Amino acid sequence: EDKVVQSPLSLVVHEGDTVTLNCSYEVTNFRSLLWYKQEKKAPTFLFMLTSSGIEKKSGRLSSILDKKELFSILNITATQTGDSAIYLCAVFDNTDKLIFGTGTRLQVFP
Amino acid sequence: SQTIHQWPATLVQPVGSPLSLECTVEGTSNPNLYWYRQAAGRGLQLLFYSVGIGQISSEVPQNLSASRPQDRQFILSSKKLLLSDSGFYLCAWSGEDYNEQFFGPGTRLTVL
Repeated sequence: EDKVVQSPLSLVVHEGDTVTLNCSYEVTNFRSLLWYKQEKKAPTFLFMLTSSGIEKKSGRLSSILDKKELFSILNITATQTGDSAIYLCAVFDNTDKLIFGTGTRLQVFP
Repeated sequence: SQTIHQWPATLVQPVGSPLSLECTVEGTSNPNLYWYRQAAGRGLQLLFYSVGIGQISSEVPQNLSASRPQDRQFILSSKKLLLSDSGFYLCAWSGEDYNEQFFGPGTRLTVL
């Protein structure tokens, strides 16, 4: 059975800290891995990763994929209170199904 | 540009009542459409997906059903709601050329 596992489940840090969120997967016919940020309602897209070893960056956020070890990490440097959210990892298979992990709840305190 | 609508935004229903949630997409044709549920403290669970009119795949057995009467319309239904059906329901679409799924604003359903 395909699955996506995220860790930690919950994380509390202070502003300015750097955090690393983990996502491992076991998905037949992997096509791509996506990261989303969910605050109050619908998730918003952060990154899509298809190739190993190529870092994607957007401001203080960055992500990388390891297709050999079947995992991805999402890094957030110099965290701010506005980074508080649930971060979702999801994997696309080649049938266009998106399989989500349970998410990591990040809380950033001033 | 493409947009996705869901309604209603919030719904409170008694146990045993029927349900109909609607999702429509504008600005694209022949999208792949998805229904997800997010229960409190849990991740997104894929309920149904559709690659075309009348084509529905169910991922999780339950008392919900989905229909796609038109190309850009996706409906989630139930004949009799259960307490466990409470949650946040998200509709999403993806196109043939995109790997990303785009989410609607969601419907928060509370079954009492």
